[in-house]
Amino acid sequence: DAGVIQSPRHEVTEMGQEVTLRCKPISGHDYLFWYRQTMMRGLELLIYFNNNVPIDDSGMPEDRFSAKMPNASFSTLKIQPSEPRDSAVYFCASRQGAAGANVLTFGAGSRLTVL
Amino acid sequence: GNSVTQMEGPVTLSEEAFLTINCTYTATGYPSLFWYVQYPGEGLQLLLKATKADDKGSNKGFEATYRKETTSFHLEKGSVQVSDSAVYFCALTQRAGQGAQKLVFGQGTRLTINP
Repeated sequence: DAGVIQSPRHEVTEMGQEVTLRCKPISGHDYLFWYRQTMMRGLELLIYFNNNVPIDDSGMPEDRFSAKMPNASFSTLKIQPSEPRDSAVYFCASRQGAAGANVLTFGAGSRLTVL
Repeated sequence: GNSVTQMEGPVTLSEEAFLTINCTYTATGYPSLFWYVQYPGEGLQLLLKATKADDKGSNKGFEATYRKETTSFHLEKGSVQVSDSAVYFCALTQRAGQGAQKLVFGQGTRLTINP
């Protein structure tokens, strides 16, 4: 298994531009999570999906952020328009099953820099 | 709400030294507890976990015991190696329900091992 695959690994963009981050979860995993990591705030859960349906998006910072999961093997996190304070590492993670003890598998992350 | 407090870093040790990274938690009920490790440029990966009181999680020479009476889950290793240099995150989830989908992380402790 190739694990959770994220792209791009690095993105540098200018303020105001649209950014799209992509994630392919592990096959068979029915939960998908998007996290953001910054020095100031640590790891924050942005949104999670169960069977492709968004369940909790209370961590999404504002309307500029949106996430979709059109099928079981693909999800996107979009920022439009981007701002310098969105600079962070964005992680996608997936898991099989609802139990809290089940382990999350993380992707390598997408490092976003907004100038 | 649920929260995790970790020993502040960075921590710098010499090879073969004894390691302790403290972690305490606040949670309703009986959470599942985890230690994740993040190597440079990579995503988080599970190091070990414990799902009930007095359980001991162990992996790669690391150990942590779920202490309900002190609400702690301290990470220990008897003899660290240079390859253990990484950022370590303590985390918890509820066992079931909505809280089972939200992995709450501590701030992370950066560990550097010198040869």
